[in-house]
Amino acid sequence: GAGVSQTPSNKVTEKGKYVELRCDPISGHTALYWYRQSLGQGPEFLIYFQGTGAADDSGLPNDRFFAVRPEGSVSTLKIQRTERGDSAVYLCASSDPTRGPGSYNEQFFGPGTRLTVL
Amino acid sequence: RKEVEQDPGPFNVPEGATVAFNCTYSNSASQSFFWYRQDCRKEPKLLMSVYSSGNEDGRFTAQLNRASQYISLLIRDSKLSDSATYLCVVLSYNTDKLIFGTGTRLQVFP
Repeated sequence: GAGVSQTPSNKVTEKGKYVELRCDPISGHTALYWYRQSLGQGPEFLIYFQGTGAADDSGLPNDRFFAVRPEGSVSTLKIQRTERGDSAVYLCASSDPTRGPGSYNEQFFGPGTRLTVL
Repeated sequence: RKEVEQDPGPFNVPEGATVAFNCTYSNSASQSFFWYRQDCRKEPKLLMSVYSSGNEDGRFTAQLNRASQYISLLIRDSKLSDSATYLCVVLSYNTDKLIFGTGTRLQVFP
């Protein structure tokens, strides 16, 4: 079946501009996650949705970052007034949290959006 | 101090070699541990979960030492196709967010 998809695959923007990154999770997956991966680093957690609501947004670095998931499926990560330090690969993952307690609900990652802020 | 620490490498090994990666984590309340594999410019993919009793999947063996807060991955009989970055991952206590190490790069040469 189809995996997690993300668009665009690459985005080049200028400092100060606004960008939106889109994630389509695996069909039926109610949990959706955003991570950010800088060069030479592992992915860092940004935000986690369970359905339409943000269950944990503790990883968002500041108020320029915002994410929505209005219908509990597609999610959009929005970055205002982009800065050069925002340049990274933004990864989206989804999981099906129907397994019982003590089980790991595997997170499946999309290919990411490579954001470059000039 | 990072919550999950691992040697970034690179580890350059010949085909057929055995190579071991180590990782330490700081939160003693952590319950779930994994190794993910990430190919160059690709997304991370789950390689295997790590259990206290140790687990093996073909040429790959993962071990967890809770007392030392230490996780390891052993790859036997390395193949060229094993070349990738191996990410040590901890499931954050009481949440579903993954905490990643920086990754250890492995390059297997002929």
